[in-house]
Amino acid sequence: SDVLTQPPSVSVAPGQTASITCGGDKIRIKSVHWYQQKPGQAPALVVYDDAARPPGVPERFSGSNSGNTATLIISRVEAGDEADYYCQVWDSGSDPYVFGTGTKVTVL
Amino acid sequence: QVQLQESGPGLVKPSETLSLTCTVSGDSITTYYWSWLRQPAGKGLEWIGRIYSTGTTDYSPSLKSRVSMSIDRSKNHFSLRLNSVTAADTAVYYCARGPSALFEYWGQGTLVTVSS
Repeated sequence: SDVLTQPPSVSVAPGQTASITCGGDKIRIKSVHWYQQKPGQAPALVVYDDAARPPGVPERFSGSNSGNTATLIISRVEAGDEADYYCQVWDSGSDPYVFGTGTKVTVL
Repeated sequence: QVQLQESGPGLVKPSETLSLTCTVSGDSITTYYWSWLRQPAGKGLEWIGRIYSTGTTDYSPSLKSRVSMSIDRSKNHFSLRLNSVTAADTAVYYCARGPSALFEYWGQGTLVTVSS
């Protein structure tokens, strides 16, 4: 099954841009979804199908997917963006839902 | 507004069966896929399995031999059973709704501890 690799941590100053990568073999041919998980809370979908945003998610959250890397970009980072972020893909194989290893975003 | 709520025992003895129910409000369980996931403390997310309203199920290969799921359309809820549990099954368990490829809505999660 797929292995999706994320950096364990990303640190960013308020107002700056955070980029979180998700690496996987031929990930560009798959739709990548991103979840935000704040401490003690359930994950919440912030980007789906590489770059689409669910209703209510700020435009500051965007995504891209090319080559072997998908990226979640958080612009104008705020203190409230501090959380763990997970990428996820769906594959038609026997283990269809694969999550990335997760990235902890710290706002300095 | 779609809401999911997990319920069930928070403590299960080793070798016994973990049973959880997810009650859905604000949506009918007759559409979409309904999944269970889990997350051990300090670790990542793991998909356990999913069920469709017809009762069709798919399970993670790593848990398939111990998992079963069911759906009760009259009560608008679905359930998880995981048998022969060990300490490695201790985790926060989430239920979630999605189209086939992702998870749009999540329950708040429930901690299940396996211990004697």
